[in-house]
Amino acid sequence: AQSVTQLDSHVSVSEGTPVLLRCNYSSSYSPSLFWYVQHPNKGLQLLLKYTSAATLVKGINGFEAEFKKSETSFHLTKPSAHMSDAAEYFCVVTTSGTYKYIFGTGTRLKVLA
Amino acid sequence: DTAVSQTPKYLVTQMGNDKSIKCEQNLGHDTMYWYKQDSKKFLKIMFSYNNKELIINETVPNRFSPKSPDKAHLNLHINSLELGDSAVYFCASSQPPDRTTTIYFGEGSWLTVV
Repeated sequence: AQSVTQLDSHVSVSEGTPVLLRCNYSSSYSPSLFWYVQHPNKGLQLLLKYTSAATLVKGINGFEAEFKKSETSFHLTKPSAHMSDAAEYFCVVTTSGTYKYIFGTGTRLKVLA
Repeated sequence: DTAVSQTPKYLVTQMGNDKSIKCEQNLGHDTMYWYKQDSKKFLKIMFSYNNKELIINETVPNRFSPKSPDKAHLNLHINSLELGDSAVYFCASSQPPDRTTTIYFGEGSWLTVV
């Protein structure tokens, strides 16, 4: 069985300050993990993915995430928030051959001017 | 070029009606999906198809009937619409999932049942 838990439903940061969105996962097998972003009234865009190569994964728009097996975590970070980062972020887990991508409940990021 | 496209983007309809949402992907993928996003933004898989064959049906009411005429299309037909069907429906596609597979989503179809 697989699941993801996004620990914060809402995160607010000031523009220019670091962003941390937390995700913990549970998986019986070696997982693949993803972060997707959804801007208001838009579809889902892939930010980055971990697929058992490097544990520190760099994505688009300055985001990165680190896979920590010992902590079963895949937290998303960005050094400096921009107003355009305000959106809903989803952590997603899957394992090979399952045809099922399991979404977390989402974290809404608010960026304050 | 739009990779995964869905139509219509917005749909308002009355309870009891039958409606369809169409999805097409031009990525050459073998696998397609329908996800439902509820009012709390929670995304849950409804169906997965691989090579036009149903792989996953996540206890979706049989009022929902997906149809895959070919690998590039996965349409969703909904009979006897209910208020609780109001949601955003996302179509997606991927190669058959392995450790490196990425799933690509369409822009969503906003369904409102009144």
